[in-house]
Amino acid sequence: DAMVIQNPRYQVTQFGKPVTLSCSQTLNHNVMYWYQQKSSQAPKLLFHYYDKDFNNEADTPDNFQSRRPNTSFCFLDIRSPGLGDAAMYLCATSSSFVGNTEAFFGQGTRLTVV
Amino acid sequence: GQQVMQIPQYQHVQEGEDFTTYCNSSTTLSNIQWYKQRPGGHPVFLIQLVKSGEVKKQKRLTFQFGEAKKNSSLHITATQTTDVGTYFCAGFSDNYGQNFVFGPGTRLSVLP
Repeated sequence: DAMVIQNPRYQVTQFGKPVTLSCSQTLNHNVMYWYQQKSSQAPKLLFHYYDKDFNNEADTPDNFQSRRPNTSFCFLDIRSPGLGDAAMYLCATSSSFVGNTEAFFGQGTRLTVV
Repeated sequence: GQQVMQIPQYQHVQEGEDFTTYCNSSTTLSNIQWYKQRPGGHPVFLIQLVKSGEVKKQKRLTFQFGEAKKNSSLHITATQTTDVGTYFCAGFSDNYGQNFVFGPGTRLSVLP
């Protein structure tokens, strides 16, 4: 059974049109992460939540926002997508923030900007 | 600059040959994790190494953490076509802002 679920799997949006990607988890993990992965590159951390505490990476553009209304759900909002934002967006969870537990990744949402 | 480095970037092997990927960090790590991502898939956790000099084995896979906790390696014995994918190391350090930093990955192709 899928434990970290991302919807949709594929998303096409227009240049400049706001888009929201969603992630849900059945693991009851405290920590949820959003990564951006471009072709043939490593996943790049955008931000993460420890419970309700939001932590933004220093180089994450302001164009990217996130919401976590409850433990199970987390959303990635891209306010004005540009062509450079086309990528795979991966949601991940872990039970602990102390860096000694594995991260469980969702299947990802592949975003295309036209 | 790149904080966690991996070499090689690509590796093509004949089925049955061995494969090794190396991971190096610019800072001492608290621990290191390895993930495998199949083509079109998502990263899947393989293992975590915590102790200096630690060696762990999973069937044909051998993982090693360096004595100085700044490097790690993954060795696959007698590769199979099911080993195809990109192998990422992810290092955790206080110097990385209490987060895992992924290396760029090594993409493995296995020719039957």
